[in-house]
Amino acid sequence: QVQLVQSGAEVKKPGASVRVSCKSSGYTFVNYGITWVRQAPGKGFEWMGWINGYTGDTNYAQKFQGRVTITTDASTSTAFMELRTLTSDDTAVYYCATDDQLDFWGQGTLVTVSS
Amino acid sequence: DVVLSQSPLSLPVTLGQPASISCRSSQSLLYTDGDAYLNWYHQRPGQSPTRLIYKVSNRDSGVPDRFSGSGSGTDFRLNISRVEAEDVGIYYCMQATHWPRTFGQGTKVEI
Repeated sequence: QVQLVQSGAEVKKPGASVRVSCKSSGYTFVNYGITWVRQAPGKGFEWMGWINGYTGDTNYAQKFQGRVTITTDASTSTAFMELRTLTSDDTAVYYCATDDQLDFWGQGTLVTVSS
Repeated sequence: DVVLSQSPLSLPVTLGQPASISCRSSQSLLYTDGDAYLNWYHQRPGQSPTRLIYKVSNRDSGVPDRFSGSGSGTDFRLNISRVEAEDVGIYYCMQATHWPRTFGQGTKVEI
């Protein structure tokens, strides 16, 4: 069965960077992409970006352009999302999901930005 | 960006009774391949979302047949034929036709 397992919770100071990982299993990783979305406390979902699992091509939300980088390591079927120059507004649960249709989701990673 | 507007935002329901959620898009979600990429998700408190419906009306594996999706163009609907206790939570529509992907605000369903 398809599973996405994300890295654990992070606490960061303003101005720092965070890198969240998402390890996939149960399907051929390179045949599908990975999407990253986030959900601020008590809020809805915000799409951040997507990476093609085969070519590595990416598509980022304009809001995060220049501040986010999504990459993959096909040898470990793992995707990564790095977000830089963090502020308190980046406090959220970050999710990875399969492909651009978000069929299956990871368990989420809480990133807390606080001084 | 495509704006998805859900209504109602809060939906009190009665067990065994039907329920319906609307999702309206600011642009047509019809893709060049003839499909509309409108998905529905259910999120229980403290859990990740699970996809219920994809491409307007296709139920995901394991989703009870009391859930159905309909619509076309810019107007879509999620129907629950008979609400069960496990159906409480927040329902989101999401469009995967246009970049960036966007979500509706969510509809909170409570007994």
